[in-house]
Amino acid sequence: DTAVSQTPKYLVTQMGNDKSIKCEQNLGHDTMYWYKQDSKKFLKIMFSYNNKELIINETVPNRFSPKSPDKAHLNLHINSLELGDSAVYFCASSNWTGANEQFFGPGTRLTVL
Amino acid sequence: KNQVEQSPQSLIILEGKNCTLQCNYTVSPFSNLRWYKQDTGRGPVSLTIMTFSENTKSNGRYTATLDADTKQSSLHITASQLSDSASYICVVRGQAGTALIFGKGTTLSVSS
Repeated sequence: DTAVSQTPKYLVTQMGNDKSIKCEQNLGHDTMYWYKQDSKKFLKIMFSYNNKELIINETVPNRFSPKSPDKAHLNLHINSLELGDSAVYFCASSNWTGANEQFFGPGTRLTVL
Repeated sequence: KNQVEQSPQSLIILEGKNCTLQCNYTVSPFSNLRWYKQDTGRGPVSLTIMTFSENTKSNGRYTATLDADTKQSSLHITASQLSDSASYICVVRGQAGTALIFGKGTTLSVSS
């Protein structure tokens, strides 16, 4: 069984469109994250939700809006896509307390044309 | 400023050889340090997690060391295999409730 799953795996879209990426975890964790990995492979946190509450919100354009309907899901909606949004987006989950070991999803490669 | 620096940026070794990857950090206070392996096209997978009181931790052929005084960590890979080709990312957690700080990774290529 997949621990952290993301859909879609690949997303190709035109500039200006609105798109969503979905993430689900079945590990019973209370915290979920969205990361962006650019072409230089550098992972950068975007958002984190703990028990459906936003706890980390890095400097991300407000075109990006995360939504957590429950503890097991964290979706990412992106409005008015720009060329610079092209990257791989990773979802992750963990328990906030303790070692906070994060388990990552397989990633969604977004290409904006 | 909290930072995590890794070296080298990339490394090529022959199958069967050993190698050591370095990680220096300036994160303070410090909670734990972890090493992740990221295969091409996949998400990172945790190899080891160490708190400030741990000096070394092994996971198969991977051995991580930590010197909390000098704020340095290393990941040693023994008898490398082709499947070790990946990016290795050093990640540091500051005090509880703060986000993880990622290094830029070392890309390891193991050739036959």
